[in-house]
Amino acid sequence: SQTIHQWPATLVQPVGSPLSLECTVEGTSNPNLYWYRQAAGRGLQLLFYSVGIGQISSEVPQNLSASRPQDRQFILSSKKLLLSDSGFYLCALKLHPNYGYTFGSGTRLTVV
Amino acid sequence: AQTVTQSQPEMSVQEAETVTLSCTYDTSESDYYLFWYKQPPSRQMILVIRQEAYKQQNATENRFSVNFQKAAKSFSLKISDSQLGDAAMYFCAYSTNQFYFGTGTSLTVIP
Repeated sequence: SQTIHQWPATLVQPVGSPLSLECTVEGTSNPNLYWYRQAAGRGLQLLFYSVGIGQISSEVPQNLSASRPQDRQFILSSKKLLLSDSGFYLCALKLHPNYGYTFGSGTRLTVV
Repeated sequence: AQTVTQSQPEMSVQEAETVTLSCTYDTSESDYYLFWYKQPPSRQMILVIRQEAYKQQNATENRFSVNFQKAAKSFSLKISDSQLGDAAMYFCAYSTNQFYFGTGTSLTVIP
């Protein structure tokens, strides 16, 4: 079965610093990959999704970007973090609509 | 536009009792999938149960079952014999090619 590795688990970064969150997948190939953000323990906001290497779709214009340099690697980045970037970031994969998402364990980002 | 509505931001249940979490959705699609996810304090998202829209039989997973009413676009989750470990945020979700989450229901289990 497929698994998602997401790191780091917790990150505290100063305002204006860069960000790189990494998500890697095992046990499957050519998955659809997603980055979500969850603020204040509430709903999930879709940030980016990717259907293949180098293919990124952005759902919300913001301070963040995403890249997919390899089939099983999905990276969330920022050149300069804002306070509003704080939140819980989840990576997810989907093989087929009826299977639902498989989520990573998430990264709690605090921008100070 | 597809939307998912969870009208109960918070619910509580006595341990060993039964609780039902509500979810409604809006869609013009006829073929889709519905899910309930659990997010405990660890914040790991865990798939609880899923339902294919073309199946009339309600899905069941141990103590978790759904009441799927396709015409009413309703997809409620019933948790029987509630346990302390059931305390979590529960998200309803709808999927075709895109995935749509509700805003969640926070469930408290009272010992």
